[in-house]
Amino acid sequence: DAKTTQPTSMDCAEGRAANLPCNHSTISGNEYVYWYRQIHSQGPQYIIHGLKNNETNEMASLIITEDRKSSTLILPHATLRDTAVYYCIVSLIQGAQKLVFGQGTRLTINP
Amino acid sequence: GAVVSQHPSWVICKSGTSVKIECRSLDFQATTMFWYRQFPKQSLMLMATSNEGSKATYEQGVEKDKFLINHASLTLSTLTVTSAHPEDSSFYICSAGDRGTGELFFGEGSRLTVL
Repeated sequence: DAKTTQPTSMDCAEGRAANLPCNHSTISGNEYVYWYRQIHSQGPQYIIHGLKNNETNEMASLIITEDRKSSTLILPHATLRDTAVYYCIVSLIQGAQKLVFGQGTRLTINP
Repeated sequence: GAVVSQHPSWVICKSGTSVKIECRSLDFQATTMFWYRQFPKQSLMLMATSNEGSKATYEQGVEKDKFLINHASLTLSTLTVTSAHPEDSSFYICSAGDRGTGELFFGEGSRLTVL
């Protein structure tokens, strides 16, 4: 599976959009981009995933560049409860599979 | 949504004892479950893949005799930390793949402290 690079930490004001970048320049054509988050002392929570097209659900939006070498997770109106470590993961198989976690981005939402 | 339950959520034990952690899929069948370990301020590290009815597949560097995994049914996998030592203190997390939909769900984790 391709490796991902994320900033170590980010801050965002409550109520603003949080944009979390992820680089995956070695991604192959059939690899998916997954985003998970982990709130302190809890298990990871699935956010969203995509292959080529931009995706949106009730939690977030995922923007994937045309060359698929990077993506951005957007939390449109961040709240204090969105403070967590966000993991961008590239995986070959869609669905139930082992995921290899990188270091992620520690996002802090400030009041 | 589908739920994966881990038990116990936290456990404290003495050095040298063995500890069993359960991972259950509550409303779906899971052919495959995964076990992770997470040390403070670090990311999740995959330990092993647990397959129902067969032997687990361990990641490189993970001692299979130290971390015993049993996946005896489609809804239960167990991780036993044998002869635990303080360096085994960690947050252990499992994930389970829904046999029907293919979705992956994570448990809430089990915190092990070895004194």
